[in-house]
Amino acid sequence: AQTVTQSQPEMSVQEAETVTLSCTYDTSESDYYLFWYKQPPSRQMILVIRQEAYKQQNATENRFSVNFQKAAKSFSLKISDSQLGDAAMYFCAYRRTYNNDMRFGAGTRLTVKP
Amino acid sequence: DAGVIQSPRHEVTEMGQEVTLRCKPISGHDYLFWYRQTMMRGLELLIYFNNNVPIDDSGMPEDRFSAKMPNASFSTLKIQPSEPRDSAVYFCASSDTGEQFFGPGTRLTVL
Repeated sequence: AQTVTQSQPEMSVQEAETVTLSCTYDTSESDYYLFWYKQPPSRQMILVIRQEAYKQQNATENRFSVNFQKAAKSFSLKISDSQLGDAAMYFCAYRRTYNNDMRFGAGTRLTVKP
Repeated sequence: DAGVIQSPRHEVTEMGQEVTLRCKPISGHDYLFWYRQTMMRGLELLIYFNNNVPIDDSGMPEDRFSAKMPNASFSTLKIQPSEPRDSAVYFCASSDTGEQFFGPGTRLTVL
């Protein structure tokens, strides 16, 4: 079974600084997708970034980037130049390529201090 | 597109009552998912459909829960009878072959 682990229940960062959220996963598959979702207090789930496992290049979306280590089954999210609006719960998620069933981690609550 | 639409946004009911949650997926998406989110258990997949057919309902907690998708633009999640432990936020999501897009959720409170 595929599992996703986020070992940091809470993280805090100073505005304009950089923070990294950790995620590890367990799978025997070679083809899969990984995602980071953001859930602000409005509780809307918003896709932040996605990574295809077959791609060696780390995905980047503006201030958000990932460090994908396939052999280590690690998928961390780096937020640069943190803004107050980045404060939210962040969920790491895994999905097999040929199956649309997605597995989520327990989430990391990020606080941004002004 | 308006995104995934869920109704109602909030529901308060009494134990034993029937509750029906509704979802309209994004047009053209052929997968639809129902999730439940609680503080204790996090985000749990309850059931998902592909082309209106239930594919995996192993996450449905018990027989009190049922889900239907009569057509490509509508799905319901029903709880009958409801219990206080069913209090949670219920999300509907849809996708094609890529990422899932979530609705705003329904906050259910069972008194």
